[in-house]
Amino acid sequence: DAGVIQSPRHEVTEMGQEVTLRCKPISGHNSLFWYRQTMMRGLELLIYFNNNVPIDDSGMPEDRFSAKMPNASFSTLKIQPSEPRDSAVYFCASSFVDRGHQPQHFGDGTRLSIL
Amino acid sequence: LAKTTQPISMDSYEGQEVNITCSHNNIATNDYITWYQQFPSQGPRFIIQGYKTKVTNEVASLFIPADRKSSTLSLPRVSLSDTAVYYCLVGETGRRALTFGSGTRLQVQP
Repeated sequence: DAGVIQSPRHEVTEMGQEVTLRCKPISGHNSLFWYRQTMMRGLELLIYFNNNVPIDDSGMPEDRFSAKMPNASFSTLKIQPSEPRDSAVYFCASSFVDRGHQPQHFGDGTRLSIL
Repeated sequence: LAKTTQPISMDSYEGQEVNITCSHNNIATNDYITWYQQFPSQGPRFIIQGYKTKVTNEVASLFIPADRKSSTLSLPRVSLSDTAVYYCLVGETGRRALTFGSGTRLQVQP
């Protein structure tokens, strides 16, 4: 079974540049989550989607961050313009939400460095 | 989401059983207890989930007392490859976002 696939695995760019992170959730999952992990703040939720619709984006730091999910098999997280404080590992996770309790499955993340 | 408290770090030796306890005093009726494992440079990996009593799978057991205010993750006969950070989370994991605490850093020595 293919897990959650994220690309790129690593991204290094200069501040002010646009950054796009990509995620392919597990086939059949209907919820998708974007997290960010830093040493200082640990793992924190940025936004999550259910059936391709954003449900909670209260964790998105500011207007420089935007996320889309045009279909059930693809999502992007975009930062424009990027700043050094955005440097972190960004994780995507997916799950199947029904009346039961299904765990979230994480990708291996994108390590982002903004110089 | 219910707040969780777990030890910051633990040390063990290969072959020993490791028990990591998590406190969640304000767990809600609909909340499940879920444990994740994270290795460096990897995403958190689901280990086990339970609601009450005991759950066992091929890698771990989860013990939950009747009041559900705590839970214990049990790793039988750990190996060096079990060195990782272990997170305890409480909530409706599939439906809602997860709130990760600081986790427990387990170091397994030879």
